Amino acid sequence: EAGVAQSPRYKIIEKRQSVAFWCNPISGHATLYWYQQILGQGPKLLIQFQNNGVVDDSQLPKDRFSAERLKGVDSTLKIQPAKLEDSAVYLCASSSGQGGGNEQFFGPGTRLTVL
Amino acid sequence: TQLLEQSPQFLSIQEGENLTVYCNSSSVFSSLQWYRQEPGEGPVLLVTVVTGGEVKKLKRLTFQFGDARKDSSLHITAAQPGDTGLYLCAGEEAGTALIFGKGTTLSVSS
Repeated sequence: EAGVAQSPRYKIIEKRQSVAFWCNPISGHATLYWYQQILGQGPKLLIQFQNNGVVDDSQLPKDRFSAERLKGVDSTLKIQPAKLEDSAVYLCASSSGQGGGNEQFFGPGTRLTVL
Repeated sequence: TQLLEQSPQFLSIQEGENLTVYCNSSSVFSSLQWYRQEPGEGPVLLVTVVTGGEVKKLKRLTFQFGDARKDSSLHITAAQPGDTGLYLCAGEEAGTALIFGKGTTLSVSS
């Protein structure tokens, strides 16, 4: 079974530029998560989708971050414009359902550096 | 705001030693998960504990959930270099997102 795919793996941009990340979850997984992991910290949930609907985006900085999962499969996360403090690893995860009984499978992440 | 505090933050030991890492909170969780993350990779789930006082064993790893479901520990027996990585605990309260601790970075040298 293929795992969660993410691209690109690395991205370096100047502040105020835009950037987009792509995630393809495990086939058949209805729930998709985007996390931000700043160096030295644990992952922080940015947004959770159930199929193509948003379940939780309470910690998403909506003035600069946006995410979509139009067909309920793959997803994109965009930052516009980027700030220095956005430098982090952006992790995508998927699960077959919601809640603690459903294991989340993580992708390898995209490491973003904002200069 | 729920917070999970992990200790120690860093641990460097020799192969064959035993170690324990801790995950503490003032909040009660319906379940608690432990993950291991290697550099350049995403976290991988090791175990989920859901019952207060529960103990689970995974080869040389022993996980315990506190009776009050506010804390947990991970004990590794006879650590090996392959155990090196970032160990994260994550708690879930019903209906809310997973809350991750900052992690314990473990380095095991041969």
